[in-house]
Amino acid sequence: AQKVTQAQTEISVVEKEDVTLDCVYETRDTTYYLFWYKQPPSGELVFLIRRNSFDEQNEISGRYSWNFQKSTSSFNFTITASQVVDSAVYFCALSEALGKLQFGAGTQVVVTP
Amino acid sequence: NAGVTQTPKFRVLKTGQSMTLLCAQDMNHEYMYWYRQDPGMGLRLIHYSVGEGTTAKGEVPDGYNVSRLKKQNFLLGLESAAPSQTSVYFCASSYTGTGVWETQYFGPGTRLLVL
Repeated sequence: AQKVTQAQTEISVVEKEDVTLDCVYETRDTTYYLFWYKQPPSGELVFLIRRNSFDEQNEISGRYSWNFQKSTSSFNFTITASQVVDSAVYFCALSEALGKLQFGAGTQVVVTP
Repeated sequence: NAGVTQTPKFRVLKTGQSMTLLCAQDMNHEYMYWYRQDPGMGLRLIHYSVGEGTTAKGEVPDGYNVSRLKKQNFLLGLESAAPSQTSVYFCASSYTGTGVWETQYFGPGTRLLVL
């Protein structure tokens, strides 16, 4: 059985600070995908990033970056220079066969001016 | 291109009533999914479909039924609603080809309150 753990329930930062969200996963499969989704107060789910299990290259996209380490089964996500609009719940998710997603419990990010 | 749409946006039911939630996508996606989101929890998979005419159970299927009569539509039914089914329901779809599992795109959600 697969499992996704987001140990941080809530993170509060002041605008312009960096925020790193932790995600640890468990899976027996060798092929899988990892995702980060954002859920703003309006409630919709917004896709942010996807990484497959064969590619451990860490990337930066604008203010977002991620650190994927198979050795520790971690897929951490960083928002650089946070803004008030980044306030949301962020979900890490793991996809295995047939695209079924297993979500973590989410981390609430609160960015204050 | 509307993406994934859900009907209705909000509904209040009494215990024992039935209803159907409609999900529609216009992206020609093969795979469709129904999730529920409860407070303080991530989304959990209820049922899914890998193509027209096919459905399968997810993690929490009890009390729900689904149908995929048309490729673009995925219906979620509650035959006899219970207060435990109070939740926000999300539909998602993805295009899968050659074994590569594409990103799932989500609808706006349906908020259901069962009294």
